[in-house]
Amino acid sequence: EAQVTQNPRYLITVTGKKLTVTCSQNMNHEYMSWYRQDPGLGLRQIYYSMNVEVTDKGDVPEGYKVSRKEKRNFPLILESPSPNQTSLYFCASSLEGWGSYNEQFFGPGTRLTVL
Amino acid sequence: AQSVTQLDSQVPVFEEAPVELRCNYSSSVSVYLFWYVQYPNQGLQLLLKYLSGSTLVKGINGFEAEFNKSQTSFHLRKPSVHISDTAEYFCAVSDPFNAGNMLTFGGGTRLMVKP
Repeated sequence: EAQVTQNPRYLITVTGKKLTVTCSQNMNHEYMSWYRQDPGLGLRQIYYSMNVEVTDKGDVPEGYKVSRKEKRNFPLILESPSPNQTSLYFCASSLEGWGSYNEQFFGPGTRLTVL
Repeated sequence: AQSVTQLDSQVPVFEEAPVELRCNYSSSVSVYLFWYVQYPNQGLQLLLKYLSGSTLVKGINGFEAEFNKSQTSFHLRKPSVHISDTAEYFCAVSDPFNAGNMLTFGGGTRLMVKP
């Protein structure tokens, strides 16, 4: 089944404790992206990757890191989480990053709480 | 820069009644337009998209949307809703010339279908 998977689905942590949220897709997509969803704000893009070893900032990159060493994986790293990073996070992928008509497929989401 | 406004944060409606979810956007360039649906505890699923051509777009689950360039709107409609349509709906735009394939989302509209 073609899908985007994320782990963990739920995470409660404390301020300053480094964490990684994994994202994997099995569709051989070149483009991957991370969004955060906050009430009333919709989804905002954090980082995206056009292909392996090619990443760039989205609208709200502060406090996050990403890497793209393999085509299928795009982990989101919070080196020192803070309470304002409490949010619902979505990973998405699409066939290409060129030509915005490519449909983005979304993962199930990771609900992160930082105390 | 572009932005999306979903005018209603919540829309309550009775089963089998028609519904319209409103979306207005602003952009200095031509855009692609999308509607996504998010069912409880799930990721986002594409309902329909407008790229070019006919301004009336039909999507899945009986939904349709009409692109109105002069009013910069892309309202979503369904003639008769079901309980199973209860979900959050997001309008989004993307810039065809943006190689980052970024989607700009509205704040979302929660559709609540009552029996």
